[in-house]
Amino acid sequence: DVKVTQSSRYLVKRTGEKVFLECVQDMDHENMFWYRQDPGLGLRLIYFSYDVKMKEKGDIPEGYSVSREKKERFSLILESASTNQTSMYLCASSPVNRDSQHFGDGTRLSIL
Amino acid sequence: GQQLNQSPQSMFIQEGEDVSMNCTSSSIFNTWLWYKQDPGEGPVLLIALYKAGELTSNGRLTAQFGITRKDSFLNISASIPSDVGIYFCAGQRGGSEKLVFGKGTKLTVNP
Repeated sequence: DVKVTQSSRYLVKRTGEKVFLECVQDMDHENMFWYRQDPGLGLRLIYFSYDVKMKEKGDIPEGYSVSREKKERFSLILESASTNQTSMYLCASSPVNRDSQHFGDGTRLSIL
Repeated sequence: GQQLNQSPQSMFIQEGEDVSMNCTSSSIFNTWLWYKQDPGEGPVLLIALYKAGELTSNGRLTAQFGITRKDSFLNISASIPSDVGIYFCAGQRGGSEKLVFGKGTKLTVNP
């Protein structure tokens, strides 16, 4: 089975901090994704990577950046955390040219 | 960015009842997917649909790919308490690696 592991289930940070969310997948998938999930808004794509060192902006990239130095690892970076970035963050991966994405269990991030 | 129109937003039903939810779009998709998210976990794929008109079952779940390719439906028969969760539809366009998601249907099942 595909396993997508997010480094933290819960994280509390302060406004202005630089925050790193880590995601690792073990199935050699080319594609990796970061989503944000808020009540009533569903899943919104922040960034997408289709190869090492390659990235593409999603629908809500403002205030975020990403890093993909190795195929199995995709990091989401909040450059200067703000309270409106308090949310559930979900990482997903998929093979190239395949539709179904496999999700991690999420990181619930609170910015105080 | 575009999101799919998913309805209803929430449902409160009694155990044993059947459930229907749907997803519509203004544009065509080549693939429709249905995911379920249990509380505290990430979404898990339930059913994938690849062809207009296709009807696919997975146990008590049945999903259909609309003929116009702009909609999809999910039915759950004889609901049980473990059906509780949020159900998401997702669509994929040809040539894209990305999915477009609906906002989810939150299902509560009363024993």
